[in-house]
Formats: sequence, C-alpha cells, structure tokens
Amino acid sequence: NAGVTQTPKFQVLKTGQSMTLQCAQDMNHEYMSWYRQDPGMGLRLIHYSVGAGITDQGEVPNGYNVSRSTTEDFPLRLLSAAPSQTSVYFCASSYGRGWPQHFGDGTRLSIL
Amino acid sequence: GQQLNQSPQSMFIQEGEDVSMNCTSSSIFNTWLWYKQEPGEGPVLLIALYKAGELTSNGRLTAQFGITRKDSFLNISASIPSDVGIYFCAGPGSNFGNEKLTFGTGTRLTIIP
Repeated sequence: NAGVTQTPKFQVLKTGQSMTLQCAQDMNHEYMSWYRQDPGMGLRLIHYSVGAGITDQGEVPNGYNVSRSTTEDFPLRLLSAAPSQTSVYFCASSYGRGWPQHFGDGTRLSIL
Repeated sequence: GQQLNQSPQSMFIQEGEDVSMNCTSSSIFNTWLWYKQEPGEGPVLLIALYKAGELTSNGRLTAQFGITRKDSFLNISASIPSDVGIYFCAGPGSNFGNEKLTFGTGTRLTIIP
C-alpha cells in the first residue's frame, strides 16, 4: 500500500533547464493535484485533475504544465526552470471531487 | 484571491498543556479543513468541518466551524511530543469547487521538554 509516491525527493537544476516531477498513486483516486510550499507560506495550488484526460489550473500555474493520461499518474513539468520556482512540491490525491486526503512526501527542488 | 490568516504563527508549550489556534478568512467558507505537517513529510488531513457551528473531535483534537463561516478553531488537549508540527487550516471558499483549496500560513507547534 504505497499511497502517493513522488520522485525524485531532491533535485537541483540550472536556470533554463526543464524537468518532470513524477507523481503516482495506487488508490484509484480520481482527483489529483500539485501544490508548492514556500517558507512561511501555506501550500498553493498549481494544477489539478479530476480524472484521466481532465486538468485545470490552480492559483499559480505559470511555468508549469501537467497532463493526466492515466488515473495513476499525474506528472508536473517545468518548461524552463527559474529561481522563483525553488520550492517544495507536493502531490495529493483523493477519491472523487474532494479535498486532498493523501499527500506525497514532497520533492525539494532548487534552481540555481 | 482568498486569504486565510492563522494565529498564532508559532507556539512554544510544555508537554501536557492545552493548545488553541484559529484561522480567519476574508470570505465565507463552506468547508473547513485542518491538516498537520511533520518535518520532511506531506500534510495529513486531521479534521473536516461541513457546517457553521459544527464541533468535531479526533482523539485529543477538537475543531469548530465558526458561526460566521469566516473562521475556524482547533484545540489540542494534553499535548504530547508527537503533536509537534505545523498545523494548517484550509478551505475551498464559497466561489470555488472542492478542487481549489486555499491554505493558511500555518501554526508551528513546538513542545518544550
């Protein structure tokens, strides 16, 4: 029973590089979402998905892309990394159109 | 956008003491959620509140949905070392579906031995 699995746990990028943060859940949850957490701030929603093939923007979507080709996976892509994207990224899931019930342990991303 | 303000920002208490924290919004919320985050981990959902005035408990934790629908409260009784962490309130607000949560800035709880 893995729950929500995020990879990698840590990553350092140079400005302008691209990368994909992986998120997978094994609970057959319809709803998945990506948040970023910056020091002294609460989590802010980047993108979310209510099912395979359906995605929508959250509060801070600029600079990020998502897709949902399967129920299990919801990758987050940084197109051209910028220092302002240095943060801890959390993926979450829940059954149905509800609030996130299960979070991954996060990906700590530093952009130089 | 919507803002959630949590108070206090941090607390330093002794083991066995009771803890009270609150969360206020600039707009009405239809649902209030409380999460706890421990170092190096993602948040864990503690309590969900669905209507004004509701009082819900989860072990030593008790949360209340304010009657104005613009605030919520979390109490922890007889604190123990494993209560250490950051407590976040969150909610979807009245103009958003459940998919778009707004999180508060958190209350960091430290327990002094």
